[in-house]
Amino acid sequence: SQTIHQWPATLVQPVGSPLSLECTVEGTSNPNLYWYRQAAGRGLQLLFYSVGIGQISSEVPQNLSASRPQDRQFILSSKKLLLSDSGFYLCAWGGTGGARGVGELFFGEGSRLTVL
Amino acid sequence: KQEVTQIPAALSVPEGENLVLNCSFTDSAIYNLQWFRQDPGKGLTSLLLIQSSQREQTSGRLNASLDKSSGRSTLYIAASQPGDSATYLCAVNGNQFYFGTGTSLTVIP
Repeated sequence: SQTIHQWPATLVQPVGSPLSLECTVEGTSNPNLYWYRQAAGRGLQLLFYSVGIGQISSEVPQNLSASRPQDRQFILSSKKLLLSDSGFYLCAWGGTGGARGVGELFFGEGSRLTVL
Repeated sequence: KQEVTQIPAALSVPEGENLVLNCSFTDSAIYNLQWFRQDPGKGLTSLLLIQSSQREQTSGRLNASLDKSSGRSTLYIAASQPGDSATYLCAVNGNQFYFGTGTSLTVIP
């Protein structure tokens, strides 16, 4: 069966410091991968999605970037964190082969980021 | 742009009661609709997926319906239990996934 691993689970970082959140998927090949952010009391905001290695699409211009160095690895990064980057970050995969809009969406356990 | 609304935002019921959670969306051109459960501080757990050609899906005490033409879906929970307490989110899958803000359910023992 397919599983998603995210780490770290919790992170407290000072403003201006770098960030790296990692997500790996097991049990599938060529998955469509997503990074979402969930702010308190608000819905999920799609940040990035990827349909293959090195292919990243950004949905919202911001202080963050994403990379996909391997088929089943998706990384969310920042060079300098802002206070507004605090939130709950969720990695997900849904469908394969680059086809969007199909398939079921599965989430990791999330990474709680607090920027002080 | 697709907009997804979930009403009510919060719901409190006594144990054993049957309940219905609502999800509405503005664009009927969807591939499927998915219901999730989220416990505090945790990721989203998929409960049910309804394809656009289907009317309903069932899993245990859960039943989800879809009326694509009217832009509505319901999640029916039978014989609610305290362990059902969580936030329930629906997501509409069109060109991308669009999420509602969820209904926070509390089942009182």
